[in-house]
Amino acid sequence: DSGVTQTPKHLITATGQRVTLRCSPRSGDLSVYWYQQSLDQGLQFLIQYYNGEERAKGNILERFSAQQFPDLHSELNLSSLELGDSALYFCASSPRGAVSYEQYFGPGTRLTVT
Amino acid sequence: AQKITQTQPGMFVQEKEAVTLDCTYDTSDPSYGLFWYKQPSSGEMIFLIYQGSYDQQNATEGRYSLNFQKARKSANLVISASQLGDSAMYFCAMREGTGNQFYFGTGTSLTVIP
Repeated sequence: DSGVTQTPKHLITATGQRVTLRCSPRSGDLSVYWYQQSLDQGLQFLIQYYNGEERAKGNILERFSAQQFPDLHSELNLSSLELGDSALYFCASSPRGAVSYEQYFGPGTRLTVT
Repeated sequence: AQKITQTQPGMFVQEKEAVTLDCTYDTSDPSYGLFWYKQPSSGEMIFLIYQGSYDQQNATEGRYSLNFQKARKSANLVISASQLGDSAMYFCAMREGTGNQFYFGTGTSLTVIP
């Protein structure tokens, strides 16, 4: 158990809908990262937050947004869903600072868009 | 340029043999960390091993070792005495000292043959 929690574990929804994925980082970790992993692509970095502020943006679509709350949990909002958004979405957390700090991954949320 | 390159999409190894998974990286930052993660078919991402850019010795963790060749910018993962449970996707990642973002390679799928 990495200490990172993600809910829900599975999500099935229809095209055009909007969903929210939730992540709680490890105790003490201020950085949260979101990744998308689909069958035909590797691990795609979406966005990173540190202590409530956006710090880095990757291949995140405009239909997607995220935020980190004062209690450090984070939410990833996916709207106007398309079939191609079906993927495993990971949240990871890491302490800020030394390069030796690895990321701890949550179990992921498997999103299926039908 | 890609920050992390894994050129082996798939690898096969006989049980009890050793296998090397390749990883090259690109950075101009003198301070960085290199990581390997394992992703079994169940989907979770498991941290395996870490190597710092200033570390003089290659990192080892049980049956995992990292063959770090700084001048060649390579950080290959060596798995000794392969086991059936080692069958999984393996990802190489890097964290630079100047930022907080992690960069992941596209992964190598390892299959251990009995």
